[in-house]
Amino acid sequence: DAGITQSPRHKVTETGTPVTLRCHQTENHRYMYWYRQDPGHGLRLIHYSYGVKDTDKGEVSDGYSVSRSKTEDFLLTLESATSSQTSVYFCAISDHRSTDTQYFGPGTRLTVL
Amino acid sequence: TQLLEQSPQFLSIQEGENLTVYCNSSSVFSSLQWYRQEPGEGPVLLVTVVTGGEVKKLKRLTFQFGDARKDSSLHITAAQPGDTGLYLCAGDSGGSNYKLTFGKGTLLTVNP
Repeated sequence: DAGITQSPRHKVTETGTPVTLRCHQTENHRYMYWYRQDPGHGLRLIHYSYGVKDTDKGEVSDGYSVSRSKTEDFLLTLESATSSQTSVYFCAISDHRSTDTQYFGPGTRLTVL
Repeated sequence: TQLLEQSPQFLSIQEGENLTVYCNSSSVFSSLQWYRQEPGEGPVLLVTVVTGGEVKKLKRLTFQFGDARKDSSLHITAAQPGDTGLYLCAGDSGGSNYKLTFGKGTLLTVNP
């Protein structure tokens, strides 16, 4: 199994509070991704990184920001959480492109009350 | 935005039956991947197809990439309860950075 951890694994927070989710890898892979998974929507890309300090938006980036100051860590921040951001968040990593596997972390279940 | 439509959305069958899951798009993909996800876990890659018309087999699972690289199918022969899970297709559009577009998934339940 690829070395990917996510923290926290579960979090309950209130509307309007800031939340940061952490993804940590031990594989030295170049690409890192944040997805959210919701019933009826599948996996949707929030942001991704193609190197240290190099990030770009995915299809559902509004309300989210990311940072990657080290190869191994990719942080996802909800500046002011809303109930619509209640979801399961997955981090993934990949080394090359096209035919390469994306390895997924175990997920973080976030509930915004 | 490139879309991948998966069908059916839900499938419940008896052990030993055969089934096919479809993944369709109006866009061309440079490669397409199939993942399986079990409850409470992240998706795990099953196969990657790259060439139009390509067929890959993984034990009782057969994957096919359409000739035009816009669609794919997953066929399971003699399904078993261990095949239960969410099957996701994902396509790489081949842009400058590597990112995948996922379908919404097919939730398969195989009853003993």
